[in-house]
Amino acid sequence: AQKVTQAQTEISVVEKEDVTLDCVYETRDTTYYLFWYKQPPSGELVFLIRRNSFDEQNEISGRYSWNFQKSTSSFNFTITASQVVDSAVYFCALSEEGYGGYNKLIFGAGTRLAVHP
Amino acid sequence: SAVISQKPSRDICQRGTSLTIQCQVDSQVTMMFWYRQQPGQSLTLIATANQGSEATYESGFVIDKFPISRPNLTFSTLTVSNMSPEDSSIYLCSVEEGVGYTFGSGTRLTVV
Repeated sequence: AQKVTQAQTEISVVEKEDVTLDCVYETRDTTYYLFWYKQPPSGELVFLIRRNSFDEQNEISGRYSWNFQKSTSSFNFTITASQVVDSAVYFCALSEEGYGGYNKLIFGAGTRLAVHP
Repeated sequence: SAVISQKPSRDICQRGTSLTIQCQVDSQVTMMFWYRQQPGQSLTLIATANQGSEATYESGFVIDKFPISRPNLTFSTLTVSNMSPEDSSIYLCSVEEGVGYTFGSGTRLTVV
């Protein structure tokens, strides 16, 4: 069955530290998408990245980078030089095909990141 | 990307009553998704709403408890019926777009 595991429930770092959030997934599909979302204390969900299963290139966007490894079914997220504004809950998600051919998201449990000054 | 307006943003309701949550999208979309986020938990898909047909519910969610309407390609409602304190959650609607899924700002429901 499709599943997303974020084993780190909470992470606490001091500003400027680098931090990696782990995500491991399970799927029977050969074509799938992986996502990261940020949920700050205000509650909205902010889209960060989508990666398709055929593209294993790492991606960097400013202080954010993502490492996708199909061999280990992992899609890890690294924040470099963390800032207080990075404090949020981060969700990893997997899209799978639902009934009727559409895709639906399966979310991991989330990792709460606290960045302290 | 699509802009989703969700109403109300929060509400406090008495047990046994019902609340209808509205989700308006600024563009036409085929599918709209409704999620529940219980306190301190992840998001769980309640159902998927396609315009002109019955919503498809996930395991553990039933139409009598969470009736959904989808009258057109830009609007949907989710009703939480006969509420109990266990229904206290954030409810979010979502649409699928080119690069990903966009979410509404959520409805924070407290049942007392």
